[in-house]
Amino acid sequence: GIQVEQSPPDLILQEGANSTLRCNFSDSVNNLQWFHQNPWGQLINLFYIPSGTKQNGRLSATTVATERYSLLYISSSQTTDSGVYFCAASSGGSYIPTFGRGTSLIVHP
Amino acid sequence: SQTIHQWPATLVQPVGSPLSLECTVEGTSNPNLYWYRQAAGRGLQLLFYSIGIGQISSEVPQNLSASRPQDRQFILSSKKLLLSDSGFYLCAWSVGKNYNEQFFGPGTRLTVL
Repeated sequence: GIQVEQSPPDLILQEGANSTLRCNFSDSVNNLQWFHQNPWGQLINLFYIPSGTKQNGRLSATTVATERYSLLYISSSQTTDSGVYFCAASSGGSYIPTFGRGTSLIVHP
Repeated sequence: SQTIHQWPATLVQPVGSPLSLECTVEGTSNPNLYWYRQAAGRGLQLLFYSIGIGQISSEVPQNLSASRPQDRQFILSSKKLLLSDSGFYLCAWSVGKNYNEQFFGPGTRLTVL
């Protein structure tokens, strides 16, 4: 099945800094999502982005399907951005997305 | 709009006791349903998924079972809990096959003592 790798595994930022999280996948995808898991464990959908670029406030994401990677940009980070960010992808009509191991982000005030 | 419910939110159970976690989805029909477990650390492990009533696929051999008695209801069960069953259990849904954005419930935190 498809392999999904995220980097970096851990990231510590000062409030106000910008960051880029990366998700590499081993095959062509028709589903790709970014999630934020908050400190209470809730997985929040950030982007559904199998290709192209999307923006939502301070967050944006770009997926370059031909090069098999996706990037999540966080600008002007806030302490509420802390948590774990997951990328999940699936291909070939599969019902089952493969999750990366996540990037743990801590934003200090 | 669609919503997904899980209960209970937290649960502490003794080793050897039974388990029943329930997940229901509102606002959509014929969803694909999933049970995940997240143990200490970050990874999400897919336990079961279902594409229809009575259709259950198991991803990992384990002490757990799943059932889908109604279109929008997914139940995770165990006859006898083990210490290793402790973790954070998440239910999720999606619609369709080729383009299936997944949405997660709030989760159940299970501690087996």
